[in-house]
Amino acid sequence: DAGVTQSPTHLIKTRGQQVTLRCSPKSGHDTVSWYQQALGQGPQFIFQYYEEEERQRGNFPDRFSGHQYPNYSSELNVNALLLGDSALYLCASSPTGTGKHEQFFGPGTRLTVL
Amino acid sequence: EDQVTQSPEALRLQEGESSSLNCSYTVSGLRGLFWYRQDPGKGPEFLFTLYSAGEEKEKERLKATLTKKESFLHITAPKPEDSATYLCAVQATPYNQGGKLIFGQGTELSVKP
Repeated sequence: DAGVTQSPTHLIKTRGQQVTLRCSPKSGHDTVSWYQQALGQGPQFIFQYYEEEERQRGNFPDRFSGHQYPNYSSELNVNALLLGDSALYLCASSPTGTGKHEQFFGPGTRLTVL
Repeated sequence: EDQVTQSPEALRLQEGESSSLNCSYTVSGLRGLFWYRQDPGKGPEFLFTLYSAGEEKEKERLKATLTKKESFLHITAPKPEDSATYLCAVQATPYNQGGKLIFGQGTELSVKP
């Protein structure tokens, strides 16, 4: 049973560029959440997608946007990159209707903005 | 404002030396408290979910407990392979409205042989 997968593993961009990160949820999961983790900090919630719509959003600017496809996979897009966007971006998936609320994380994408 | 604070920030133990990690939380209404383990450069690995005060969960050398204000992760006779950052998170929003996780900053555990 494949867990949560993310691509790419690492990415280097320059300020002002745009980036797209991808996530495939764990088999049987239909909800995808995205988190940003700065070095030495806990993950910060960006947003969550369910049924191809953004269901909840954290305190992140509109430069951060996302999408969920009918197969439940998801993308995180960041426009006009800033140096401060350098972080580990984590995708987490969870199922609905099971009564279990834990989220399972992928390995992350390390984004470096120069 | 919903908030999670973990202590200590870092903990160094000798192999076999038992200890506890603390997670204090302030939320409007707790839906669930989660413990994760994170190795350097990797994604968090799920350990436990606790839903109500008095609940306890165990897995190998780890035991998680929950009160109305805090949770403890007890590590009994740790081994070097237990070295990692341990993250605590709470879920305050009703799950059908999103259920985002609010994380603490983590406790970095180092176990020396």
